[in-house]
Amino acid sequence: EVQLVETGGGLIHPGGSLRLSCAASGFTVSSEFMSWVRQAPGKGLQWVSVTYSGGDTFYADSVKGRFTMSRDSSKNTLYLQMTSLRVEDTAVYYCAKDSSGTAIDYWGQGTLVTVSP
Amino acid sequence: QLVLTQSPSASASLGASVKLTCALSSGHSNYGIAWHPQQPEKGPRYLMKLHTDGSHNKGDGIPDRFSGSNSGAERYLTISSLQSEDEADYYCQTWGTGIRVFGGGTRLTVL
Repeated sequence: EVQLVETGGGLIHPGGSLRLSCAASGFTVSSEFMSWVRQAPGKGLQWVSVTYSGGDTFYADSVKGRFTMSRDSSKNTLYLQMTSLRVEDTAVYYCAKDSSGTAIDYWGQGTLVTVSP
Repeated sequence: QLVLTQSPSASASLGASVKLTCALSSGHSNYGIAWHPQQPEKGPRYLMKLHTDGSHNKGDGIPDRFSGSNSGAERYLTISSLQSEDEADYYCQTWGTGIRVFGGGTRLTVL
């Protein structure tokens, strides 16, 4: 059974850094396309980043240069390193698995990041 | 630019059917999409992937009441025999090289 469990959210001041983790089970993270998606309070889903099974990684313009996605094969875990955080980065962050680089077919339960003075 | 457009809201009565629409931007009518419902206070879940030929792959345990279809650049989700638990925000999603895109979501109210 595929499972994705995000951790690492919390309250952080503007300009700070935070690292989110997504522990996967039921499949191998390094062999799949993986995404991070966020949802600000009361808003819709917003794509953040995607990493391909071959290693290429892409980011939404709103986070480019500030967020970095990575994987640890030994832990079967996906990470999102977030720096220079802004109030507008406040959101629930979801880890998601792609189906062969197309549709998202599994979602994690999400972790809340609150950026506040 | 790859954009998905959804109506903000829809409503239908318990036991009735409803058809939700997701429109692909000009020049992108050959893209597949996926549907992801999000019930109140819960995370999104995968419902189905809708291919350009109209075929679809559903997630585990998704009943036959949910079906997808296409017409040109529009993608549809039809829910029949509406139940109270179908009340949710429904997001469509598509993909391109180095990008994933979500529609703004349609809030479905079951009356």
